[in-house]
Amino acid sequence: QKEVEQNSGPLSVPEGAIASLNCTYSDRGSQSFFWYRQYSGKSPELIMFIYSNGDKEDGRFTAQLNKASQYVSLLIRDSQPSDSATYLCAVKSGDSSYKLIFGSGTRLLVRP
Amino acid sequence: AAGVIQSPRHLIKEKRETATLKCYPIPRHDTVYWYQQGPGQDPQFLISFYEKMQSDKGSIPDRFSAQQFSDYHSELNMSSLELGDSALYFCASSHTNRALDEQYFGPGTRLTVT
Repeated sequence: QKEVEQNSGPLSVPEGAIASLNCTYSDRGSQSFFWYRQYSGKSPELIMFIYSNGDKEDGRFTAQLNKASQYVSLLIRDSQPSDSATYLCAVKSGDSSYKLIFGSGTRLLVRP
Repeated sequence: AAGVIQSPRHLIKEKRETATLKCYPIPRHDTVYWYQQGPGQDPQFLISFYEKMQSDKGSIPDRFSAQQFSDYHSELNMSSLELGDSALYFCASSHTNRALDEQYFGPGTRLTVT
């Protein structure tokens, strides 16, 4: 079992809809959580990070964290075709190592 | 805003050759991380440096070594290259070595071993 789990998708939504991406993690000591967007052949681009339980909003993006359930999600409002990409959930472990542990990513397709 | 710089962007090597990848972190970032991403896979952590000292080591083969220099740039040295080393290699940097610091990725080096 991977330490960070994501549904591989593809998740297909129509333009203008809300896309909901989910991620679960196994290490209860994890302290910080990140969402990266990656276009094919390109580098991961940081779009959201969250450290505390609850919601964090930035423009069209909302990250949600529930440490009790070991669950983090990303909502994309008013989805655009340009949002079509793979979304990687990443977690920093609770030990002294600050490396990112990635999920396998969810491929999002936004249909025009 | 300045980003992480990696060079070269593309590299083609033959089996058993050596390769050196370079990474220049965002100004005032003192921590560098190296990740390897194979085709269709998620990035895997290789090694990290904080203030020029190795801070963590992941699934990095013994054939690979890395260091961080006084100007905080880092180099990943890869020897006895194998076909399986073909991948995207990303460098990321963060302001410092703390749990709450975000990591920003460079554009990557695409290594092809033939």
